[in-house]
Amino acid sequence: EAQVTQNPRYLITVTGKKLTVTCSQNMNHEYMSWYRQDPGLGLRQIYYSMNVEVTDKGDVPEGYKVSRKEKRNFPLILESPSPNQTSLYFCASSRETGRRTDTQYFGPGTRLTVL
Amino acid sequence: QQPVQSPQAVILREGEDAVINCSSSKALYSVHWYRQKHGEAPVFLMILLKGGEQKGHDKISASFNEKKQQSSLYLTASQLSYSGTYFCGTVYYGNNRLAFGKGNQVVVIP
Repeated sequence: EAQVTQNPRYLITVTGKKLTVTCSQNMNHEYMSWYRQDPGLGLRQIYYSMNVEVTDKGDVPEGYKVSRKEKRNFPLILESPSPNQTSLYFCASSRETGRRTDTQYFGPGTRLTVL
Repeated sequence: QQPVQSPQAVILREGEDAVINCSSSKALYSVHWYRQKHGEAPVFLMILLKGGEQKGHDKISASFNEKKQQSSLYLTASQLSYSGTYFCGTVYYGNNRLAFGKGNQVVVIP
């Protein structure tokens, strides 16, 4: 089944404790992206990647890191989480990028709480 | 760089029509529409490319006015299943990424 998976789905952590949220897709998609969703603010892009080893900042990259060593995986790293990073996070992937940006397939979401 | 969506929320009765809008201050290459049900991930509805095209998904259709840099989503003869938050995403000329707006919340009541 074609899908985007995220782990964990729920996470409660404490300020400053490094964490990684994994994202994996099995559709051989080039484009992958991370969004955070907060009430009233919609979907804000954190980072995106157009292909392996190619990543770029979105609208709200501060406090986050990403890597794209393999086509299928795009982990989101919070080196020192803070309470303002409490949010619902979505990973998404699509077949093509840029002006040919195709249908985005979203993962199920990761609800992160930072105490 | 987020597109602007309006109105913020719409409440309508089953069978009524509604229009929600997405506008940008920059020249758009394409507009994407997604719907999110409560507690779920956004789901793709349609993509509109430059050229003023219109598309449809069941009784939901959309238009893209390239000159006005604006897209409208038309909910016709609304059904209870249309309830949710609708997000528009935009790709600008000279840009490689898809940016979403804040969403339009739609509530359809019996």
